[in-house]
Amino acid sequence: DVKVTQSSRYLVKRTGEKVFLECVQDMDHENMFWYRQDPGLGLRLIYFSYDVKMKEKGDIPEGYSVSREKKERFSLILESASTNQTSMYLCASRPVTGLYGYTFGSGTRLTVV
Amino acid sequence: DQQVKQNSPSLSVQEGRISILNCDYTNSMFDYFLWYKKYPAEGPTFLISISSIKDKNEDGRFTVFLNKSAKHLSLHIVPSQPGDSAVYFCAASDGDSSYKLIFGSGTRLLVRP
Repeated sequence: DVKVTQSSRYLVKRTGEKVFLECVQDMDHENMFWYRQDPGLGLRLIYFSYDVKMKEKGDIPEGYSVSREKKERFSLILESASTNQTSMYLCASRPVTGLYGYTFGSGTRLTVV
Repeated sequence: DQQVKQNSPSLSVQEGRISILNCDYTNSMFDYFLWYKKYPAEGPTFLISISSIKDKNEDGRFTVFLNKSAKHLSLHIVPSQPGDSAVYFCAASDGDSSYKLIFGSGTRLLVRP
C-alpha cells in the first residue's frame, strides 16, 4: 500500500521556536507539496517541489521554508513559529504524469502557544 | 480571491437520499477537476475526477457533473450513507503539466441515519 507519512500527528511548540515538519513518501513521486488547512479557508498551498533540490513558493509561503535533499523526503520549516501558524499541515505527493491528483498524508496538527 | 469556491459550508441529508455538493470556479483555464473526501484526523483521499472534455463522470454511487459555461461542477451521491459523512473538497488544475491543485474551502456533509 503506497503511503505518504508525516512524522508527527500532533505538535505543540512555543512562539519563536524553529519547527520542522517531516514528510516521507514511498511511491517514487517527483512532486511533493505542503498545504495548510484552516476552517473556512480550505487547503492553501505553502510550498511545492517538482524534483530533488527544486522548490517553488505556493500561495502563502511567508514564514515558511522547505528542504528536499532526497526524492522521498520533503520538510517544511517554520523559521520562528507564531500563533497564526497554528493549523493542520498536510503533505502530498504525485507522479510527474497522471491525472489522479495527490496522495495525502494524515496531517500534522500544530499548535503554537 | 478564491478561484475555487464551495459556498455551502455544511449539508445535512437523510440516509438513502441524494446528496448534492456544489463547486464554482472562476479561472477558465482550469481543465481538470477533482473531488476529495476528508475524515477527521486523516488526510484527504481522492474520490472522483472529471476532465473538461466531459460533462459527466460516474463511479458507483458518485457522479460528478461539469457545466463549463457556468463554471460550475457538482458531486452527487446516491444513495447517501452514514459513512459518507465527511468534509468534501473540490479541486481544480489547469492541466496535467501543472503541479498545483487549487482547492475550495470544503463542505461538511452529514448523513443522518
